[in-house]
Amino acid sequence: GAVVSQHPSRVICKSGTSVKIECRSLDFQATTMFWYRQFPKQSLMLMATSNEGSKATYEQGVEKDKFLINHASLTLSTLTVTSAHPEDSSFYICSARDLTALGRGTDTQYFGPGTRLTVL
Amino acid sequence: GEDVEQSLFLSVREGDSSVINCTYTDSSSTYLYWYKQEPGAGLQLLTYIFSNMDMKQDQRLTVLLNKKDKHLSLRIADTQTGDSAIYFCAESMDRASKIIFGSGTRLSIRP
Repeated sequence: GAVVSQHPSRVICKSGTSVKIECRSLDFQATTMFWYRQFPKQSLMLMATSNEGSKATYEQGVEKDKFLINHASLTLSTLTVTSAHPEDSSFYICSARDLTALGRGTDTQYFGPGTRLTVL
Repeated sequence: GEDVEQSLFLSVREGDSSVINCTYTDSSSTYLYWYKQEPGAGLQLLTYIFSNMDMKQDQRLTVLLNKKDKHLSLRIADTQTGDSAIYFCAESMDRASKIIFGSGTRLSIRP
């Protein structure tokens, strides 16, 4: 199946700093990527839809100035947590959509392994 | 709005069947999914079902859909220790749209 990578897998930062997380589709082009946040009690919350070459679409309640998303190429989307605070500590997961999979009848969204962010 | 609900925990004896239940609210959901997340790992798609289907079976996995009640279940036959994970129910309007996830059910296996 298609592979999506995330970097870094784990990051620890000081409060007030910014952290960038990368999401890459390794063997397909992804015009759309999704960013999720997984809370300690397991629930997976969609934060935003990242569209290549245009602005991201944020879900209700997600601060777009806090969580900056850039989708500069067909294989890379980045999520930057600006001025991070301890409450931003979480597991961030991206997924990339492979539209060519629609015609094959296979899964169209592939998930990255996640990035564990800890803000001290 | 879109909402997907699951119970948080399930414990079963090894060798028994596990049944994980899910309810959703969006009647326009066309695709319903089950994902598995093992400790420290990303999400793995187990199976999905179209809303016009009642049942789908794939080896040890059986998915049942009651569209009238907006209820989806995942049955794992002969549950093994390797099945220990968090199982997420999810839905989307189509296979190109965003996927909305439930809270996940943590399945634990006891000897």
